[in-house]
Amino acid sequence: QSVLTQPPSVSAAPGQKVTISCSGSSSNIGNNYVSWYQQLPGTAPKLLIYDNNKRPSGIPDRFSGSKSGTSATLGITGLQTGDEADYYCGTWDSSLSAHVVFGGGTKLTVL
Amino acid sequence: QVQLQESGPGLVKPSQTLSLTCTVSGGSISSGSYYWSWIRQPAGKGLEWIGRIYTSGSTNYNPSLKSRVTISVDTSKNQFSLKLSSVTAADTAVYYCAREWEDERGDWFDPWGQGTLVTVSS
Repeated sequence: QSVLTQPPSVSAAPGQKVTISCSGSSSNIGNNYVSWYQQLPGTAPKLLIYDNNKRPSGIPDRFSGSKSGTSATLGITGLQTGDEADYYCGTWDSSLSAHVVFGGGTKLTVL
Repeated sequence: QVQLQESGPGLVKPSQTLSLTCTVSGGSISSGSYYWSWIRQPAGKGLEWIGRIYTSGSTNYNPSLKSRVTISVDTSKNQFSLKLSSVTAADTAVYYCAREWEDERGDWFDPWGQGTLVTVSS
C-alpha cells in the first residue's frame, strides 16, 4: 500500500491528452513539492517533472505538472506510442519519521 | 554528465546481509549539495525509497527499513554503498542508486543508475 495514491492505469489514443493524478495528505503533497518519473519497460525511472511543474532540460513541453492542495497531476499532450510507460509521483513526507514516498505507479497505454 | 552504476551480488541467502555499491562517474561525489540515495522496486511493483547519505556522512532512512539499513560513502573511490541485514524473500527487488536533489520544499532524483536485480533465495 503506497502512501501516495495513483490510478493503476490510464489510456488514450495517439495525439490525445491524458492526465494522471497523485493523491496524498497534508504531511506530504500538501506541504512539499512533487516530482514525476517515467519508467519505460525494462529501464530505470527517468525524471520528468520536479518542484511540481518544472521540466529538466531535454523533457518536451508535452509533459506538464501541477499541484492543488494535497493532490498533484501529470499531464501529457500529443500522446505518442513511445509514451507507453509506468509513471510515478514522489515527494517528501514530513511526518514524525520524515522520508521520501512514492505513488504506486500508473500504467499508461497509448491505444 | 554524472552517471551511476550499481554493483554487487545478484543472489543473497535468507538471513544474510545484502551489500551493494554505487559508483559515480562524470563528476565528484563530493561536489555540489546532493544526497546520494538507494531506491528499490520489487518485480511488478512500485518504488520504495530506502535511504540517503550526504557527503558529510549524515544519513536518513526509510522508517520501515531503518533497523536493517546502513548507507555509507567512500569519497576517495567516488562510491556509496548499501547494506541491508537479515534479508528475506520480501527484499528481492531491483535496487537503484540515484542522485537526490533537495531544495527548500522538495526532493527529486536525477540521474538514476540502471538498477541491479538482487534475489534472496537459498
